[in-house]
Amino acid sequence: QKEVEQDPGPLSVPEGAIVSLNCTYSNSAFQYFMWYRQYSRKGPELLMYTYSSGNKEDGRFTAQVDKSSKYISLFIRDSQPSDSATYLCAMSDGGKGDMRFGAGTRLTVKP
Amino acid sequence: DVKVTQSSRYLVKRTGEKVFLECVQDMDHENMFWYRQDPGLGLRLIYFSYDVKMKEKGDIPEGYSVSREKKERFSLILESASTNQTSMYLCASRPGQNTEAFFGQGTRLTVV
Repeated sequence: QKEVEQDPGPLSVPEGAIVSLNCTYSNSAFQYFMWYRQYSRKGPELLMYTYSSGNKEDGRFTAQVDKSSKYISLFIRDSQPSDSATYLCAMSDGGKGDMRFGAGTRLTVKP
Repeated sequence: DVKVTQSSRYLVKRTGEKVFLECVQDMDHENMFWYRQDPGLGLRLIYFSYDVKMKEKGDIPEGYSVSREKKERFSLILESASTNQTSMYLCASRPGQNTEAFFGQGTRLTVV
């Protein structure tokens, strides 16, 4: 079993839809959770960064962490064609070491 | 803005060549990382460094080495390139342990 599981999709939604992207993980030591957006042939860019359980909102984006279920989500409201990209979840335990990434979910928002 | 710059966007190299991928960050970050990204496999960590001249192996270090002589620069070296090292290589940096990471634009390496 992978340490971080993420459905690779692809996911296709109409413009204006609410999108829900999810990851599950097995390492209970993870405390820091991130969502990255990656456009084709580009490096990932940070969207959201959260610590521990709870919700964090930034514009149309909401990140949700449920540590008891080892489950994190990213919600996109009023999705736009410009949101079409691959979304990667990432997490770390706060030690000096690395981050663990999901495989990424490819999202297409159709006009 | 944080800037992480990788020396090349696209590279084509021959089997057996020694390949250098360079990464420079301009924000005095402590930690730097090298990942490779392959379809269906996501990002896999090759090596990371938490200080100058310090390095630690990630999940897939075989066939790779790294160098960090200066804080701002982290180099990935393919000692003898092979076709199974054809991939997208991503460099990242972060200020410290409990912070988010920032990525470069990636280097798409093809080994023929």
